[in-house]
Amino acid sequence: EPEVTQTPSHQVTQMGQEVILRCVPISNHLYFYWYRQILGQKVEFLVSFYNNEISEKSEIFDDQFSVERPDGSNFTLKIRSTKLEDSAMYFCASMDRTLYEQYFGPGTRLTVT
Amino acid sequence: GEDVEQSLFLSVREGDSSVINCTYTDSSSTYLYWYKQEPGAGLQLLTYIFSNMDMKQDQRLTVLLNKKDKHLSLRIADTQTGDSAIYFCAESYPHYGGSQGNLIFGKGTKLSVKP
Repeated sequence: EPEVTQTPSHQVTQMGQEVILRCVPISNHLYFYWYRQILGQKVEFLVSFYNNEISEKSEIFDDQFSVERPDGSNFTLKIRSTKLEDSAMYFCASMDRTLYEQYFGPGTRLTVT
Repeated sequence: GEDVEQSLFLSVREGDSSVINCTYTDSSSTYLYWYKQEPGAGLQLLTYIFSNMDMKQDQRLTVLLNKKDKHLSLRIADTQTGDSAIYFCAESYPHYGGSQGNLIFGKGTKLSVKP
């Protein structure tokens, strides 16, 4: 069964460093998302991406964040200069044309020290 | 703003039914979802219901939607120890004005199943 994959599973970085989190969405899906979950808190929407551009972003998704679909398969989230409060689990998700089944990857745990 | 609320914990005995409840605030939600998260794992889509339905059954899972009260529930029949996990309720919005289905999640209900 097709699934969303994410790498790495765990990333440790120092404050101020740039990180890139990678996702491979399900191959025939057209809508892509990033969410994050700070430990013990709700899963929060960050950004949605369709047709090679951002379609919606939350107020969390500030200028430190960017997304890219560099080729036909990968979808990346870059954090330019990480802060301690960026420590969280980051989930990628993708959705097909039917616009109602959104599938999540296993997540990348980002730890900023 | 939009908000989704769930109780944080539920404990049941193996073989009993579990009922996990959720309330949401935005009546324009189009789809309502249940996701399951096992320890250290991602979010698994369990089931969803369109807002013009009031019930959906899928094997051991029954979803009930009371749109008037903005109340959603997930019933798991014959609960097993393997059902122990966190269950998230989520809502999404119509796809217009740039919105492309981003989900608003509750905090999750931790279901513990005792043998």
